[in-house]
Amino acid sequence: QVQLVESGGGLVRPGGSLRLSCTASHFSFSDSYMSWIRQAPGGGLEWVSFIGSSGLYTSSADSVKGRFTTSRDNAKNSLYLDMTSLRAEDTAVYYCARHELENDPFEAWGQGTMVTVSS
Amino acid sequence: QSALTQPPSVSGTPGQRVTISCSGSSSNIGDNPVNWYKQLPRTPPTLLIYTDYRRPSLVPDRFSGSRSGTSASLAISGLESDDEATYFCGAWDVSVNGWVFGGGTRLTVL
Repeated sequence: QVQLVESGGGLVRPGGSLRLSCTASHFSFSDSYMSWIRQAPGGGLEWVSFIGSSGLYTSSADSVKGRFTTSRDNAKNSLYLDMTSLRAEDTAVYYCARHELENDPFEAWGQGTMVTVSS
Repeated sequence: QSALTQPPSVSGTPGQRVTISCSGSSSNIGDNPVNWYKQLPRTPPTLLIYTDYRRPSLVPDRFSGSRSGTSASLAISGLESDDEATYFCGAWDVSVNGWVFGGGTRLTVL
């Protein structure tokens, strides 16, 4: 059974930085596209970024472009989201999700990790 | 404001059929298939319908999807109490080179 486990969330001050991790198991991670999707408290879903299977191809939402960087280590079955210049509006649960190709559906989601940006 | 528009809430009684609409534009639904996700409180979303109407193996055929033009819809027949959840539509958007979602529709089973 596909398993995705996020970690690294927490409380951070505005302007601060944080690194989220997503550890994958029970599927071929190196053959999968991966995305980060976030959900503000009581809110809807917002796609943040995706990364291709080799790690060479990434795309991100305008709201995080220039501040967030997505990367992966296929040897460690791990996905990362480096977040800098954090703002209050970045407060959300961050999910990692697996998909076959860039515009394929999100077949599996992690449980999420909460990021709170507050002074 | 979400790129895709869904009604905030719908409701129905057990056994009834309900539909949830999802409206977009030519850069997303007009040119790409729609997926639907179901989310229970304090849990991650799960894939419910993909490529407009296809169902993952464990999803019952009470759930169906369709797409026409720049809109899509999710239909749930034979409503059950376990269907009470929030439903999100999502589609690839060529103008953002990424995904867009609807704001979610909360289904209440009366």
